[in-house]
Amino acid sequence: AQKITQTQPGMFVQEKEAVTLDCTYDTSDPSYGLFWYKQPSSGEMIFLIYQGSYDQQNATEGRYSLNFQKARKSANLVISASQLGDSAMYFCAMREGAGGFKTIFGAGTRLFVKA
Amino acid sequence: SQTIHQWPATLVQPVGSPLSLECTVEGTSNPNLYWYRQAAGRGLQLLFYSVGIGQISSEVPQNLSASRPQDRQFILSSKKLLLSDSGFYLCAWSILRDTQYFGPGTRLTVL
Repeated sequence: AQKITQTQPGMFVQEKEAVTLDCTYDTSDPSYGLFWYKQPSSGEMIFLIYQGSYDQQNATEGRYSLNFQKARKSANLVISASQLGDSAMYFCAMREGAGGFKTIFGAGTRLFVKA
Repeated sequence: SQTIHQWPATLVQPVGSPLSLECTVEGTSNPNLYWYRQAAGRGLQLLFYSVGIGQISSEVPQNLSASRPQDRQFILSSKKLLLSDSGFYLCAWSILRDTQYFGPGTRLTVL
């Protein structure tokens, strides 16, 4: 069963505007971690932001914030003030369980920032 | 600070040839190490992970194997490559079950 779903294969956003990339997940474990990674055309995976299942507040890192809605099992990434350099693939990922090592990745969303 | 290296960056190999991809981590001790494969336009698939020297867990049965001869060295190997082994291979490290940090990757083409 697919555990991480990213329903937007591609997204366009105007430079300097905000954009939300969707991610829903499925797990029965009360302890889990959610991650977002950016993959530019060079191929490297760049860690952006982390949200733990017990964290009370939404995670923020600079222009990135994670809109964590636990009841809906969603962990959307919000990028504020988009820049041309934000054009890339974005992956949502989940690590299940306090004792788990396996991280499951979604299929990704390609973001295009227009000048 | 921690750094992760992978080599080679690009590799073109004939079907049936052997494979050895190497990953090393600097600036940390006893990291967890991971090998992922990414097919073109797809997400990442975990192949192997290791929590210590000589300890390898395989996630997917396949034509590949992994070894960890030293604390900060992780090697991905194959005795005979298949066409389906083509892809982008990424090594990652983490401390315990914390965030995983990725290397630059190796793009493998099997012809």
